[in-house]
Order: sequence, then structure tokens, then C-alpha cells
Amino acid sequence: DAKTTQPTSMDCAEGRAANLPCNHSTISGNEYVYWYRQIHSQGPQYIIHGLKNNETNEMASLIITEDRKSSTLILPHATLRDTAVYYCIVRTGNQFYFGTGTSLTVIP
Amino acid sequence: NAGVTQTPKFQVLKTGQSMTLQCAQDMNHEYMSWYRQDPGMGLRLIHYSVGAGITDQGEVPNGYNVSRSTTEDFPLRLLSAAPSQTSVYFCASSRGTTGSSSPLHFGNGTRLTVT
Repeated sequence: DAKTTQPTSMDCAEGRAANLPCNHSTISGNEYVYWYRQIHSQGPQYIIHGLKNNETNEMASLIITEDRKSSTLILPHATLRDTAVYYCIVRTGNQFYFGTGTSLTVIP
Repeated sequence: NAGVTQTPKFQVLKTGQSMTLQCAQDMNHEYMSWYRQDPGMGLRLIHYSVGAGITDQGEVPNGYNVSRSTTEDFPLRLLSAAPSQTSVYFCASSRGTTGSSSPLHFGNGTRLTVT
């Protein structure tokens, strides 16, 4: 069973906020949620991670619902360089489970 | 720091051949892992290691062997390549193991084709 589910694709206008959702309804209390992105076939790039609280860094914000069953990655001002596949990942012990990702296209 | 280095970048094998994909990291990370990525899909864990001398299976371990003799290196061996192993392979490392929240650092991948 998939640990995470994400929409297959999304579009976002350049300069607007991109909100990428992820469902992880079977997550346990001590399992972290990570977000990565992959541009073309390069190695995935780390964006942000969290456990319970909302997190923000220079790249993005991560909003985790109180029941921890879902989260949203927010890119506050999307640029064309943010066009990529975004993966929501749950870490269970020493295994990181990738979903199939959301292909985000930023439109000029 | 070079980070995570994978070699080769590209490889073509014939069915039945063997080869080793190399992965090295210079960050003194305890945790290392191998993933495969098939077209249009996410990454699936093949094997991982939480330290020198310790390895374990991931989601899709069949057809692959690993060993971890040093902290820095984590090679992936294909003993008898099959067309189903055509994929892009990524190595990743992390500072911590169980209980840690440290993120994974990825290499740039090895694109393998088995004919």
C-alpha cells in the first residue's frame, strides 16, 4: 500500500503561490514527512521536512494538519525554475517511502 | 565536499552480465541507500545500510546485492542482469539512522540499460 498519495499534476502561474497537497493517512506518530523535488532525471533535491509543527525555510513552507493525515507544501512565489516533480515522503524507521509525485508546471 | 558520487553515469549491459554500481559519500554519513526509478514512477528502495558491516533489504531487493565495508562506500551489485533491471539508480546518504530526522542527500544517478 502506498504510504503517500499526491495529485498527478498541477499548474501554477508564475509569481503566485503553489500549494501541493499530500495524503499520508496511515502515518504513525513518530514518522516524519519530507518533501523533495526532481528536475528532469537529476537526483532528488531536499526541500523541507516536519513531524507535527508547521515548518518554513528559505525554499518553502510545510503545513501539517493536526491529525497528521495530510500536509501541504507551499512555494510562496513560484518561478519557472520551480517546474519539477515534487515528492512527498514518509520515513518509517530506516526506510523512506516515495509516492509517485506531483508534476508541477509553472506557467509564465 | 563532493557529497554523494555515483559512477558510472551511464551503462549498457547484455542480459546475464554482472556489474557493480559505485556510490561514495564524503560527509561521514552513517546511513546509505540505493533506489531505482522506473519511467513515470517514484523511487523504490532496493537496499540500505545503517553503518559499516550492516545492510538490510528495502522494497525491491531481488536481483541485487550490497555490502558496506567502509563508511564511505556502498556498492550495488547486479549478479546476472535482466531487462527488468533497466532503470535509473540513485544512491542516497543521511547523517542519522533510526530516530533521526536527517534528510537524504542524493547522487546524480546511474542510467542502466539491459538489452
